[in-house]
Amino acid sequence: TQLLEQSPQFLSIQEGENLTVYCNSSSVFSSLQWYRQEPGEGPVLLVTVVTGGEVKKLKRLTFQFGDARKDSSLHITAAQTGDTGLYLCAAENQAGTALIFGKGTTLSVSS
Amino acid sequence: NAGVTQTPKFRVLKTGQSMTLLCAQDMNHEYMYWYRQDPGMGLRLIHYSVGEGTTAKGEVPDGYNVSRLKKQNFLLGLESAAPSQTSVYFCASSYLAGGNTQYFGPGTRLTVL
Repeated sequence: TQLLEQSPQFLSIQEGENLTVYCNSSSVFSSLQWYRQEPGEGPVLLVTVVTGGEVKKLKRLTFQFGDARKDSSLHITAAQTGDTGLYLCAAENQAGTALIFGKGTTLSVSS
Repeated sequence: NAGVTQTPKFRVLKTGQSMTLLCAQDMNHEYMYWYRQDPGMGLRLIHYSVGEGTTAKGEVPDGYNVSRLKKQNFLLGLESAAPSQTSVYFCASSYLAGGNTQYFGPGTRLTVL
């Protein structure tokens, strides 16, 4: 069974702090996606990483795909209250028909 | 261009009642999905469709049925609601299968008493 394990499950920080969340698996994936979900809304894609070792930056967010394509990390620099939300990683299932999702990291940034 | 819309946004049912959740997308996507989201459980796939007239079971299909009579619509039915089906339901669509970007609707919060 393919599993995506995310850590930490919850993170509460002050504005301006840096943080990293992780997405790990024992399976190899062809690509991995990160979504952000705000309260009361559906998830929205942030980024897709495809190549092992790839690093992508989206303003203050840095995404990295592990060399072996089994894990990924999301680093946020100088967090802002607008970064508050649920961060989900996702990858294609073995059948290639749908995505499997991690359980998510709930981030709370306070001012 | 509304993207993915879901109807209704909220619903309260009594045990044993039935209801249908409607999902509509205007992006001409072939693939559509129904997920449920429960605290601490992430998103779990209920059913999906790879095109008009086709449906398939996901990870947690029991107690649900689906239909895709038109390409733009994907219906999720609960024939006899149970308290265990209290959840937030999300519909999503994608242009391609698998690891392609999925576009989500705003969700339906369902409570079964």
